[in-house]
Amino acid sequence: QQQVKQSPQSLIVQKGGISIINCAYENTAFDYFPWYQQFPGKGPALLIAIRPDVSEKKEGRFTISFNKSAKQFSLHIMDSQPGDSATYFCAASKQGGATNKLIFGTGTLLAVQP
Amino acid sequence: EPEVTQTPSHQVTQMGQEVILRCVPISNHLYFYWYRQILGQKVEFLVSFYNNEISEKSEIFDDQFSVERPDGSNFTLKIRSTKLEDSAMYFCASGWDVWRTFGSGTRLTVV
Repeated sequence: QQQVKQSPQSLIVQKGGISIINCAYENTAFDYFPWYQQFPGKGPALLIAIRPDVSEKKEGRFTISFNKSAKQFSLHIMDSQPGDSATYFCAASKQGGATNKLIFGTGTLLAVQP
Repeated sequence: EPEVTQTPSHQVTQMGQEVILRCVPISNHLYFYWYRQILGQKVEFLVSFYNNEISEKSEIFDDQFSVERPDGSNFTLKIRSTKLEDSAMYFCASGWDVWRTFGSGTRLTVV
């Protein structure tokens, strides 16, 4: 019940295209859903996050869509650029308490071709 | 922008040896974490540390692992007797509430 399932495992998109990565969770207690971007040799960096009281959040070219009833959320990268090539992880957490641990998805390796 | 600093960036150790991975979290953060990432795989939670004690640990974090925050600034992960399967990137993170910042990691190679 702690799992976060992520797909696809890898994705190739042409420059200017839309990249879409999907995640699904099981634990309805999760109430914070971030996306992290990781470049080779670096730690994950927070990209954008959403809480379940909204269905969509947009920051620049990055949008999270959230479907609470389906327990799914997705990352859309509009006008994808070669500099977006990285591994993307979705994650989930429950706020409050003494932990706030993040459960990560399995990651999506995105390659944006020029 | 404040950073989480991890040292060393790469450590090679003999199987059975003890290693200490070091982290300097962001100074006003309250929560501290260690995660690991085996090459090409997902980031896995190891342990969280809050209010000067372990608040949660995963099944990976067995008796061979320990954490300390000895001086209020550093946060260390010790592996007492390393195994080949401990080879991974180890990430320290710090934060408050759900927000956290990750360090760039220590690549541990056990030979």
